[in-house]
Amino acid sequence: DIQMTQSPSSLSASVGDRVTITCRASQGIRNELGWYQQKPGKAPKCLIYDVSSLQSGVPSRFSGSGSGTEFTLTISSLQPEDFATYYCLQHQTLWTFGQGTKVEIK
Amino acid sequence: EVQLVESGGGLVKPGGSLRLSCAASGVTVKNAWMSWVRQAPGKGLEWVGRIRAETEGGTTDYAAPVKGRFTISRDDSTNTLYLEMKSLKTEDTGMYFCVYRPTWGQGTLVTVSS
Repeated sequence: DIQMTQSPSSLSASVGDRVTITCRASQGIRNELGWYQQKPGKAPKCLIYDVSSLQSGVPSRFSGSGSGTEFTLTISSLQPEDFATYYCLQHQTLWTFGQGTKVEIK
Repeated sequence: EVQLVESGGGLVKPGGSLRLSCAASGVTVKNAWMSWVRQAPGKGLEWVGRIRAETEGGTTDYAAPVKGRFTISRDDSTNTLYLEMKSLKTEDTGMYFCVYRPTWGQGTLVTVSS
């Protein structure tokens, strides 16, 4: 099974900050990685697919990068509506989610 | 636009059974790879299993904690995905989501408790 190690598990940031979240895969997953945002009581929402492609309707302050086993989600300028929990998902072999990163207001 | 609507959740005793449904629109479930994902209260996302498109065999895969107890199937006539759950345990409690990547349903809550 492919394991996904996501870090940090939580972070505190201010509006306007640049935020970076990382996922490391236990083996290469080509480009089969996405990033999801989840707010309390809601279903997850896809932000990024195929490592770096922005889902339709998602603001351009969100970006994804990486290759092989190391992947990053970056929020260039944190907005009030971005406070949420973020998950990576690999779908190269079955599916595995990262443990999640809770982004809180500093 | 793809829409997925889950139903069938509820309270069930340990050892009991439950069948969840996912009514799909905007996608033909027979032609899609579809998954179930769950989330225990206050916890992260956990993949449960998937079914391949009929053209790719229509076979299923399951996560280790549910293998042998859960079964994914579909009804092509109603365009509905199912998750049949048997021998339920307290640790199966959570919100269950139907997913046709990147679209998620709103989820249905399963509570396993005596």
